[in-house]
Amino acid sequence: DARVTQTPRHKVTEMGQEVTMRCQPILGHNTVFWYRQTMMQGLELLAYFRNRAPLDDSGMPKDRFSAEMPDATLATLKIQPSEPRDSAVYFCASRQGMNTEAFFGQGTRLTVV
Amino acid sequence: KQEVTQIPAALSVPEGENLVLNCSFTDSAIYNLQWFRQDPGKGLTSLLLIQSSQREQTSGRLNASLDKSSGRSTLYIAASQPGDSATYLCAVPLTTDSWGKLQFGAGTQVVVTP
Repeated sequence: DARVTQTPRHKVTEMGQEVTMRCQPILGHNTVFWYRQTMMQGLELLAYFRNRAPLDDSGMPKDRFSAEMPDATLATLKIQPSEPRDSAVYFCASRQGMNTEAFFGQGTRLTVV
Repeated sequence: KQEVTQIPAALSVPEGENLVLNCSFTDSAIYNLQWFRQDPGKGLTSLLLIQSSQREQTSGRLNASLDKSSGRSTLYIAASQPGDSATYLCAVPLTTDSWGKLQFGAGTQVVVTP
């Protein structure tokens, strides 16, 4: 059963600490998205990769957020330093090609205190 | 800039009634439209993908229609069940956007009462 896997599922951290979220896209999918979901803003696109190359990360606060794909089976989203306003659910999604279904992981619920 | 709107924001129906969920978008230059379901505290589950060249797509009790020229899609769920209670979101990737980023609506929260 192919699925997008995200770790950790939950993370509570103190303000100022580094947070790393990981995503394993579905095997063979060449496109990976990172989204953030909050009650106020809904789903916001943070970063977008195709064939491991970052294509668009304009939605990401560059001073503290970074996204990478060290290989085709792993995407990471890092926040350093974390702030309380970063508290949200972070989703990873993948798809194969522009005109195909996107599949989402279960998300990482981040709480920064 | 593409705007995706879902009305109503919330809907409550008795079990057995058909559900009709609406999604509208301002830019008709889309590759496709995808409907998702999200249960509380969970990720998004893909329900249906309807291509821009299609008018309709069906999966079990679900039927999605697409009218690109008027910028509308409708998701019909027949004979609703309490298990259909969830938030339903629609998303479109733009053809004018080289990367095909998904633009989401805010969702319709559905409650089906027994």
